[in-house]
Amino acid sequence: AQKITQTQPGMFVQEKEAVTLDCTYDTSDQSYGLFWYKQPSSGEMIFLIYQGSYDEQNATEGRYSLNFQKARKSANLVISASQLGDSAMYFCAMNPPGGYNKLIFGAGTRLAVHP
Amino acid sequence: GAVVSQHPSRVICKSGTSVKIECRSLDFQATTMFWYRQFPKQSLMLMATSNEGSKATYEQGVEKDKFLINHASLTLSTLTVTSAHPEDSSFYICSASTLGNQPQHFGDGTRLSIL
Repeated sequence: AQKITQTQPGMFVQEKEAVTLDCTYDTSDQSYGLFWYKQPSSGEMIFLIYQGSYDEQNATEGRYSLNFQKARKSANLVISASQLGDSAMYFCAMNPPGGYNKLIFGAGTRLAVHP
Repeated sequence: GAVVSQHPSRVICKSGTSVKIECRSLDFQATTMFWYRQFPKQSLMLMATSNEGSKATYEQGVEKDKFLINHASLTLSTLTVTSAHPEDSSFYICSASTLGNQPQHFGDGTRLSIL
């Protein structure tokens, strides 16, 4: 069975600094997708970045980049130049093969950005 | 980008009431919609996968008769919490996607409080 592990319940970072949020996954499948979502206190889920298991390059989207290490089964999110508005819950998720884009979520990491 | 609308955003009602939550994809056709439940300070738990024109697939431990899902069109799925009780109080959030490894797009969620 697939599993996503986020070992950092909470992180804090100084404004304008970079921060890495950890995510490891467990799967025996060769084809899968990895996602990061941001959930502010208002509750909505905001898609940040996607990495396919066969993608050779690490995904980047603006200030977000995904440090994908397939052999280690890790997909850490790096946020550069943190902003106060980055304070939120961050969820790592995996989309195993088999259709329907079903997502399995990690427990989440709460990020606090300090001025 | 893809927009998913979820309504209502907040419901407060008496025990025994049935509550219907709507999830609409506004600018794309969603072959699949998902319903999640999130308890405070916890991750999203997938309740069921809803495919247009067919019966929903429920995750283990989710009561089908309690949480009725209807996916009548490619843009609308509804979740009805039947005879709701205080333990059903939670944050319910839907998402929609097309085929392939495309990110799910989430609604803004519904906070359900049963008195």
